[in-house]
Amino acid sequence: AQSVSQHNHHVILSEAASLELGCNYSYGGTVNLFWYVQYPGQHLQLLLKYFSGDPLVKGIKGFEAEFIKSKFSFNLRKPSVQWSDTAEYFCAVPSPYYGNNRLAFGKGNQVVVIP
Amino acid sequence: DGGITQSPKYLFRKEGQNVTLSCEQNLNHDAMYWYRQDPGQGLRLIYYSQIVNDFQKGDIAEGYSVSREKKESFPLTVTSAQKNPTAFYLCATSRDNSYEQYFGPGTRLTVT
Repeated sequence: AQSVSQHNHHVILSEAASLELGCNYSYGGTVNLFWYVQYPGQHLQLLLKYFSGDPLVKGIKGFEAEFIKSKFSFNLRKPSVQWSDTAEYFCAVPSPYYGNNRLAFGKGNQVVVIP
Repeated sequence: DGGITQSPKYLFRKEGQNVTLSCEQNLNHDAMYWYRQDPGQGLRLIYYSQIVNDFQKGDIAEGYSVSREKKESFPLTVTSAQKNPTAFYLCATSRDNSYEQYFGPGTRLTVT
């Protein structure tokens, strides 16, 4: 089955620091890649997605992610974080063995930004 | 106002009782999903449904049941057979032939 790896479950950093969250997946047969974010007390929402084209995609709130096909990776970055970026971040990749538009989610990164 | 509603936001039950979590959508999406979210575990798929009157087990279906009698509704029943039911439950939808999923606000279930 598809597996999605997110390392460093807990990340604590100060405002203005740079953030990079890794996402690696095991099955490379698809290029539908997603990052979702869950702010405290809010819905899980889409942060950015990659389907095709430029492998560097930009999302909301200054986030970007780079798809590197050879490394089966889709890492999330933000050059300068703000306190409001405190949230849990999930990488999601299609699960082709099951079909039917299923997604496999990573275990998430809990990011805390200290003012 | 389009969206996904889950009710209630918080739910408390005694051990041994079945409980049904509601999920309603007016996005006209064909597919609906139920996930369970536990700290450090990410989202794990319980059940999903691609069309009305059809649904499939996900990765952790034991102790849960669903129905899909209407396109708009996909209720999840947590039965007494679920060994560790206390969790945050998320409902999601997606358009046909799309992997992008849209999530409801979730229901936090506590069983004591």
